[in-house]
Order: sequence, then structure tokens, then C-alpha cells
Amino acid sequence: ETGVTQSPTHLIKTRGQQVTLRCSSQSGHNTVSWYQQALGQGPQFIFQYYREEENGRGNFPPRFSGLQFPNYSSELNVNALELDDSALYLCASSLAPGTGDYEQYFGPGTRLTVT
Amino acid sequence: AQKVTQAQTEISVVEKEDVTLDCVYETRDTTYYLFWYKQPPSGELVFLIRRNSFDEQNEISGRYSWNFQKSTSSFNFTITASQVVDSAVYFCALLRTGGFKTIFGAGTRLFVKA
Repeated sequence: ETGVTQSPTHLIKTRGQQVTLRCSSQSGHNTVSWYQQALGQGPQFIFQYYREEENGRGNFPPRFSGLQFPNYSSELNVNALELDDSALYLCASSLAPGTGDYEQYFGPGTRLTVT
Repeated sequence: AQKVTQAQTEISVVEKEDVTLDCVYETRDTTYYLFWYKQPPSGELVFLIRRNSFDEQNEISGRYSWNFQKSTSSFNFTITASQVVDSAVYFCALLRTGGFKTIFGAGTRLFVKA
């Protein structure tokens, strides 16, 4: 069974640039959620993708966008990077919403630094 | 509104001591899920337990045990005979049934000294 993988591990970008983070879900999981974890804080929900569509969104501006592909992998795109976007970005996969099994499996994260 | 509060920011214990991590949650839903995750220095969140709101039975898994009390909206986590490898940040989280947004607490950093 393949776990959740994320790439890249670390990334340094300049304010105003754009970034794309990638996530491959665990085998058998078709739902992907993205979280932002600032230093010393708990993860904050960004959005969730199910069946290649956004299934729900947290309090993040539109410059945070995503995609899910037919193989259930996902991308998180952030435009016009700001210094406050520096954080650990976590991807989590799970079974479809409504199945009653809401156990989320997290990837190792991508550490984004915006200078 | 949903909220998870972990009042203990940091806890430091000596190996073999027992330690309890507190979690208090707020929700208006009657059905929901509660979780505990461990985040070691590597950064990856490791799932520890899921409990649904209808199941108030306490659970024990090795040195770990969980006490869910709906009457006080608490879901506390106890590590018995702590070990250095238990050093990590522990998060309590809440998810409404049928929902998509997991709400995490701020986490409790546990230091276990040898």
C-alpha cells in the first residue's frame, strides 16, 4: 500500500511569485484535502477535492487554487505569494465523503519559504 | 461555530511518567468525529485515533488511552509510562459528520526527557 507523497519537500520563493505543490493520494483514496500549517500552529483547512471538483473550502483567498486529476492526485497552486504564505503545506487523502470513514492520512508536507 | 482548544501549549515530563493531554471542543452538531494526531519533528501527521460522537467508550491501545466525555465536551489523551520517542506535538481535531473541514487545535508540544 502506497502512502501519501508530496513534492517538493522544500521550496523557496520570492514574494509575488507563483508556486505549485503536488500530492499523490494513498492507494484506494479518492479524496484529497490541503492544509496550511504555520509555525507553532495547528493545520488550517484550505480546501478539499473529490471527483476532480472542489468539495469545500476554508477561509483562504482565491489566489489559493487547486486541481485533482483522474488518478486522484492533486495540485495546490498559490499565486502572488506573500510573506505570510510561508508555512508547511500538508496534503491528506481519505475515502469519499459520506462513507463514514473520515480517517485522513497525511503526507510529509512541503515546507514553503517566501522571501 | 466549531472550535478545538488545547490549553496546554507545552508539557515536559521525565521518562516513565504518565501524562495527560487535554482537549476541549465546541460544536452544535449532534454527530461528529474527534481525532488525535501526532506530529514528530519530521513534520508528518500520524493518525492515532478516531472517535464518533455516539461512542463514549474509553479506548486503550498499548500505552495510549483516550477518555471521551460528551458531557464536558472533552476528549483527553493519556500516555502511560512515557518514552523519549513520545516527544512530539499532539493535535486534537474535530470533523462534523458529512463535512469536509477538519478543525485542529493549536497542539500540545510534549517533551519527554530521559
